[in-house]
Amino acid sequence: GENVEQHPSTLSVQEGDSAVIKCTYSDSASNYFPWYKQELGKGPQLIIDIRSNVGEKKDQRIAVTLNKTAKHFSLHITETQPEDSAVYFCAVGDTGTASKLTFGTGTRLQVTL
Amino acid sequence: DAGVIQSPRHEVTEMGQEVTLRCKPISGHDYLFWYRQTMMRGLELLIYFNNNVPIDDSGMPEDRFSAKMPNASFSTLKIQPSEPRDSAVYFCASSFGRFGTGEQYFGPGTRLTVT
Repeated sequence: GENVEQHPSTLSVQEGDSAVIKCTYSDSASNYFPWYKQELGKGPQLIIDIRSNVGEKKDQRIAVTLNKTAKHFSLHITETQPEDSAVYFCAVGDTGTASKLTFGTGTRLQVTL
Repeated sequence: DAGVIQSPRHEVTEMGQEVTLRCKPISGHDYLFWYRQTMMRGLELLIYFNNNVPIDDSGMPEDRFSAKMPNASFSTLKIQPSEPRDSAVYFCASSFGRFGTGEQYFGPGTRLTVT
Protein backbone atom coordinates (compact mmCIF):
# COMPACT_ATOMS: atom_id res chain seq x y z
CA GLY A 1 0.00 0.00 0.00
CA GLU A 2 0.83 3.67 -0.07
CA ASN A 3 3.40 4.99 2.42
CA VAL A 4 3.49 8.71 3.21
CA GLU A 5 6.29 10.36 5.18
CA GLN A 6 5.98 13.92 6.49
CA HIS A 7 8.66 16.25 7.88
CA PRO A 8 9.23 17.99 10.16
CA SER A 9 7.04 16.73 12.98
CA THR A 10 7.20 20.12 14.70
CA LEU A 11 7.99 23.55 13.32
CA SER A 12 8.25 26.86 15.12
CA VAL A 13 8.46 30.12 13.18
CA GLN A 14 8.16 33.77 14.03
CA GLU A 15 5.15 35.70 12.84
CA GLY A 16 5.74 36.94 9.32
CA ASP A 17 8.24 34.24 8.42
CA SER A 18 7.59 31.41 5.96
CA ALA A 19 6.94 27.78 6.84
CA VAL A 20 7.59 24.76 4.64
CA ILE A 21 6.36 21.22 5.27
CA LYS A 22 7.43 18.32 3.06
CA CYS A 23 5.95 14.94 2.24
CA THR A 24 7.12 11.97 0.23
CA TYR A 25 5.06 9.08 -1.03
CA SER A 26 5.76 5.65 -2.46
CA ASP A 27 3.07 4.78 -5.01
CA SER A 28 3.76 6.33 -8.42
CA ALA A 29 0.09 5.82 -9.36
CA SER A 30 -1.00 8.39 -6.77
CA ASN A 31 -2.36 11.52 -8.39
CA TYR A 32 -4.18 13.55 -5.74
CA PHE A 33 -2.36 15.47 -2.98
CA PRO A 34 -4.41 17.43 -0.46
CA TRP A 35 -3.29 19.26 2.66
CA TYR A 36 -5.43 19.42 5.79
CA LYS A 37 -5.25 21.74 8.79
CA GLN A 38 -6.38 20.53 12.19
CA GLU A 39 -7.03 23.00 14.97
CA LEU A 40 -7.23 21.93 18.59
CA GLY A 41 -10.39 19.97 19.33
CA LYS A 42 -11.57 19.91 15.73
CA GLY A 43 -11.47 17.60 12.76
CA PRO A 44 -9.03 18.15 9.89
CA GLN A 45 -10.11 20.66 7.26
CA LEU A 46 -8.92 20.84 3.65
CA ILE A 47 -6.87 23.97 2.93
CA ILE A 48 -5.44 23.26 -0.52
CA ASP A 49 -5.01 20.36 -2.91
CA ILE A 50 -3.15 19.60 -6.11
CA ARG A 51 -3.56 17.02 -8.80
CA SER A 52 -0.77 15.42 -10.76
CA ASN A 53 -1.35 17.40 -13.93
CA VAL A 54 -0.02 20.59 -12.31
CA GLY A 55 3.25 21.34 -10.52
CA GLU A 56 2.19 24.24 -8.31
CA LYS A 57 -0.97 25.78 -6.94
CA LYS A 58 -1.42 28.94 -4.89
CA ASP A 59 -4.21 30.29 -2.74
CA GLN A 60 -3.35 33.60 -1.10
CA ARG A 61 -0.63 32.87 1.48
CA ILE A 62 -0.49 29.12 0.94
CA ALA A 63 0.96 27.15 -1.96
CA VAL A 64 1.65 23.54 -2.76
CA THR A 65 4.35 22.24 -5.09
CA LEU A 66 4.54 18.77 -6.54
CA ASN A 67 7.46 16.84 -7.99
CA LYS A 68 6.04 13.60 -9.38
CA THR A 69 9.41 12.33 -10.58
CA ALA A 70 10.84 12.52 -7.08
CA LYS A 71 7.49 11.63 -5.49
CA HIS A 72 7.40 14.51 -3.10
CA PHE A 73 5.23 17.55 -2.50
CA SER A 74 5.42 20.51 -0.15
CA LEU A 75 3.21 23.04 1.59
CA HIS A 76 4.43 26.62 1.75
CA ILE A 77 2.88 29.19 4.04
CA THR A 78 4.12 32.76 3.66
CA GLU A 79 3.70 35.70 6.04
CA THR A 80 2.66 33.37 8.84
CA GLN A 81 0.15 34.58 11.42
CA PRO A 82 -0.70 33.25 14.90
CA GLU A 83 -3.92 31.75 13.54
CA ASP A 84 -1.81 29.50 11.30
CA SER A 85 -0.75 27.60 14.43
CA ALA A 86 -2.22 24.11 14.07
CA VAL A 87 -1.35 20.57 12.98
CA TYR A 88 -0.99 20.12 9.23
CA PHE A 89 -1.42 16.80 7.45
CA CYS A 90 -0.50 15.90 3.93
CA ALA A 91 -2.42 13.13 2.22
CA VAL A 92 -2.15 11.08 -0.93
CA GLY A 93 -4.88 9.56 -3.05
CA ASP A 94 -5.48 7.83 -6.33
CA THR A 95 -8.55 8.85 -8.29
CA GLY A 96 -8.61 5.36 -9.75
CA THR A 97 -9.44 3.94 -6.32
CA ALA A 98 -11.86 6.76 -5.70
CA SER A 99 -11.61 8.85 -2.57
CA LYS A 100 -9.37 6.75 -0.33
CA LEU A 101 -6.59 8.88 1.20
CA THR A 102 -3.43 7.93 3.08
CA PHE A 103 -2.37 10.61 5.56
CA GLY A 104 1.06 11.69 6.70
CA THR A 105 1.95 11.77 10.39
CA GLY A 106 1.33 15.49 10.80
CA THR A 107 3.38 18.64 11.50
CA ARG A 108 2.65 20.79 14.50
CA LEU A 109 3.25 24.39 13.43
CA GLN A 110 3.62 27.07 16.06
CA VAL A 111 3.76 30.71 15.02
CA THR A 112 5.26 32.87 17.73
CA LEU A 113 4.87 36.61 18.14
CA ASP B 1 -25.73 22.17 5.86
CA ALA B 2 -24.61 21.48 9.43
CA GLY B 3 -21.61 19.50 8.30
CA VAL B 4 -20.74 16.00 9.45
CA ILE B 5 -22.34 15.28 12.81
CA GLN B 6 -20.86 12.84 15.31
CA SER B 7 -22.16 11.67 18.65
CA PRO B 8 -21.29 11.45 21.39
CA ARG B 9 -18.47 14.00 21.50
CA HIS B 10 -16.95 12.33 24.51
CA GLU B 11 -17.32 8.77 25.78
CA VAL B 12 -15.79 7.28 28.89
CA THR B 13 -16.36 3.59 29.45
CA GLU B 14 -14.91 0.67 31.32
CA MET B 15 -12.96 -2.11 29.71
CA GLY B 16 -15.21 -4.84 28.41
CA GLN B 17 -18.17 -2.59 27.70
CA GLU B 18 -19.72 -2.08 24.29
CA VAL B 19 -19.22 1.31 22.67
CA THR B 20 -21.22 2.69 19.75
CA LEU B 21 -20.15 5.80 17.87
CA ARG B 22 -22.55 7.52 15.51
CA CYS B 23 -22.16 9.61 12.39
CA LYS B 24 -24.45 11.58 10.12
CA PRO B 25 -22.70 12.52 6.85
CA ILE B 26 -23.35 15.59 4.75
CA SER B 27 -26.49 15.18 2.69
CA GLY B 28 -25.72 14.11 -0.87
CA HIS B 29 -22.28 12.72 -0.14
CA ASP B 30 -21.77 9.16 -1.34
CA TYR B 31 -18.61 8.24 0.57
CA LEU B 32 -18.25 7.84 4.31
CA PHE B 33 -15.02 7.20 6.17
CA TRP B 34 -14.15 6.22 9.74
CA TYR B 35 -10.73 7.24 11.06
CA ARG B 36 -8.94 6.77 14.36
CA GLN B 37 -6.39 9.32 15.61
CA THR B 38 -3.78 8.66 18.27
CA MET B 39 -0.46 10.27 19.10
CA MET B 40 1.41 7.07 18.35
CA ARG B 41 -0.24 6.06 15.08
CA GLY B 42 -1.54 9.35 13.71
CA LEU B 43 -4.66 9.36 11.53
CA GLU B 44 -5.62 5.84 10.45
CA LEU B 45 -8.39 4.91 8.03
CA LEU B 46 -10.46 2.14 9.55
CA ILE B 47 -13.17 1.56 6.94
CA TYR B 48 -15.00 3.39 4.20
CA PHE B 49 -18.34 3.05 2.47
CA ASN B 50 -19.59 3.99 -0.98
CA ASN B 51 -23.34 4.29 -1.39
CA ASN B 52 -23.79 2.56 1.99
CA VAL B 53 -21.69 -0.46 0.94
CA PRO B 54 -18.40 -1.20 2.76
CA ILE B 55 -15.57 -0.95 0.23
CA ASP B 56 -12.41 -1.41 2.28
CA ASP B 57 -12.27 -2.53 5.90
CA SER B 58 -8.60 -3.50 5.89
CA GLY B 59 -7.88 -0.86 8.53
CA MET B 60 -10.25 -2.31 11.10
CA PRO B 61 -7.87 -3.48 13.80
CA GLU B 62 -9.70 -6.51 15.13
CA ASP B 63 -12.94 -8.41 15.07
CA ARG B 64 -13.97 -6.36 18.07
CA PHE B 65 -14.58 -3.48 15.67
CA SER B 66 -17.55 -3.39 13.34
CA ALA B 67 -19.18 -0.67 11.24
CA LYS B 68 -22.52 -0.37 9.54
CA MET B 69 -24.25 2.09 7.26
CA PRO B 70 -27.94 1.17 7.11
CA ASN B 71 -28.82 4.23 5.00
CA ALA B 72 -27.26 7.24 3.36
CA SER B 73 -27.65 9.45 6.41
CA PHE B 74 -26.37 7.28 9.25
CA SER B 75 -23.41 5.11 10.17
CA THR B 76 -22.19 3.45 13.35
CA LEU B 77 -18.83 2.19 14.54
CA LYS B 78 -19.09 -0.37 17.32
CA ILE B 79 -16.40 -1.73 19.60
CA GLN B 80 -17.28 -4.83 21.58
CA PRO B 81 -15.66 -5.49 23.98
CA SER B 82 -13.70 -2.29 24.43
CA GLU B 83 -10.10 -2.25 25.69
CA PRO B 84 -7.90 0.56 27.06
CA ARG B 85 -5.82 0.56 23.85
CA ASP B 86 -8.94 1.61 21.94
CA SER B 87 -8.73 5.02 23.60
CA ALA B 88 -8.43 7.56 20.78
CA VAL B 89 -10.31 10.22 18.87
CA TYR B 90 -12.56 8.69 16.23
CA PHE B 91 -13.46 10.81 13.23
CA CYS B 92 -16.12 10.33 10.64
CA ALA B 93 -15.72 12.04 7.27
CA SER B 94 -17.80 12.19 4.11
CA SER B 95 -17.18 13.19 0.51
CA PHE B 96 -18.81 13.41 -2.89
CA GLY B 97 -16.71 11.12 -5.02
CA ARG B 98 -18.49 10.88 -8.34
CA PHE B 99 -15.63 12.53 -10.22
CA GLY B 100 -12.83 10.79 -8.36
CA THR B 101 -11.12 11.71 -5.14
CA GLY B 102 -13.01 14.55 -3.58
CA GLU B 103 -12.60 16.74 -0.55
CA GLN B 104 -13.28 14.87 2.65
CA TYR B 105 -15.27 16.78 5.26
CA PHE B 106 -14.50 15.70 8.79
CA GLY B 107 -16.78 15.73 11.78
CA PRO B 108 -15.65 17.08 15.17
CA GLY B 109 -14.70 13.63 16.40
CA THR B 110 -15.58 11.44 19.36
CA ARG B 111 -12.98 11.24 22.12
CA LEU B 112 -13.14 7.72 23.54
CA THR B 113 -11.54 6.84 26.84
CA VAL B 114 -11.57 3.22 27.98
CA THR B 115 -10.53 2.71 31.59
